[in-house]
Amino acid sequence: DTGVSQDPRHKITKRGQNVTFRCDPISEHNRLYWYRQTLGQGPEFLTYFQNEAQLEKSRLLSDRFSAERPKGSFSTLEIQRTEQGDSAMYLCASSFQNTGELFFGEGSRLTVL
Amino acid sequence: AQSVTQLDSHVSVSEGTPVLLRCNYSSSYSPSLFWYVQHPNKGLQLLLKYTSAATLVKGINGFEAEFKKSETSFHLTKPSAHMSDAAEYFCVVSLSGGYNKLIFGAGTRLAVHP
Repeated sequence: DTGVSQDPRHKITKRGQNVTFRCDPISEHNRLYWYRQTLGQGPEFLTYFQNEAQLEKSRLLSDRFSAERPKGSFSTLEIQRTEQGDSAMYLCASSFQNTGELFFGEGSRLTVL
Repeated sequence: AQSVTQLDSHVSVSEGTPVLLRCNYSSSYSPSLFWYVQHPNKGLQLLLKYTSAATLVKGINGFEAEFKKSETSFHLTKPSAHMSDAAEYFCVVSLSGGYNKLIFGAGTRLAVHP
């Protein structure tokens, strides 16, 4: 399968713990996006990379959130000192240049107890 | 500011009957609009996109949508529903011409009954 892959698919953690999600985009895609989706809502934009540069961050991305994309390949999204409100599905997507079509992974579901 | 409103949170149809999923948008300039579909335990998939070319846009799996500027609408239709069409559908507007930030509607869950 050469689509966007995300790991882990599910993560249950206790409040206050740190968690990290990984996204492997489609190999030739230079743009990578993170979105968050809560139950009954559409995905909300978090941040966007072009190659290794993080070009835009949403106000939703508080100081406890950090995303990286070293070498312009895979990306990680870390959440420090998790809160119950962080419980959501974290979606990664990638695209090639400016085509307007994003390819999404299946998501990483976070549950904070 | 750009936004989309999906007018129905749930739609239920019988197999073989037409599908209509309604979407209204708000945009300060000519928008780029999309419909994405999300099947259970699957990633979001692009159904179709409008980028100021033809107002009637054809997508995958027999879906199409018509851009109506006067009504600020971008409704999704299909002549005949199939059981495999049961999924969550999202109307999406691009915040800028560069497609860097997509704004999703709340979604419409489509149920298809035999």
